[in-house]
Amino acid sequence: GAVVSQHPSWVICKSGTSVKIECRSLDFQATTMFWYRQFPKQSLMLMATSNEGSKATYEQGVEKDKFLINHASLTLSTLTVTSAHPEDSSFYICSARVPGTVNTEAFFGQGTRLTVV
Amino acid sequence: AQSVTQPDIHITVSEGASLELRCNYSYGATPYLFWYVQSPGQGLQLLLKYFSGDTLVQGIKGFEAEFKRSQSSFNLRKPSVHWSDAAEYFCAVGVGNAGNMLTFGGGTRLMVKP
Repeated sequence: GAVVSQHPSWVICKSGTSVKIECRSLDFQATTMFWYRQFPKQSLMLMATSNEGSKATYEQGVEKDKFLINHASLTLSTLTVTSAHPEDSSFYICSARVPGTVNTEAFFGQGTRLTVV
Repeated sequence: AQSVTQPDIHITVSEGASLELRCNYSYGATPYLFWYVQSPGQGLQLLLKYFSGDTLVQGIKGFEAEFKRSQSSFNLRKPSVHWSDAAEYFCAVGVGNAGNMLTFGGGTRLMVKP
């Protein structure tokens, strides 16, 4: 299957700083990527849909100014957590779909564990 | 809006025993349905998916799931559980283009007794 890679796998940052998480499709071009967040012992919640060359679409309740998404190329989407606070500590996972295919699933990255101290 | 319910938060089974994880969904149209497994601190691995056709779907690692429209269910089964199956299992319904926007259930944590 297609490969989606996230970087970093884990990051610790100080409260008030910003953190950038990268999501790359390694062997295909992804016009659409999805960002999810998972709090400890909870399920994954869709945060936003990232569209190459246009603005991301955020789910209700997700602050777009806090979670900046940039999808500048067909293989890279970035999520920047701005002015991070301890409550932003979570597991962030991206997924991407192989375009032009029918009935294929989205492929997930390995996730990024963010800890804000 | 769509929703997914996994009634069992935790399940413990003995190694070699059969397994069934329950999943119920709510969606107005024919859903795309998925089962994912997540090991601690890891991303998601797709076990199987249902898009259309045969309602009994075979997946990896010996898992299967059956789509029952009348019951709005997509339960995951395995005839004989291995210790390595211990993990968190998520059922999801997909909407949007080819069902790639996923709504996940709360997850079921599977523990396997030796």
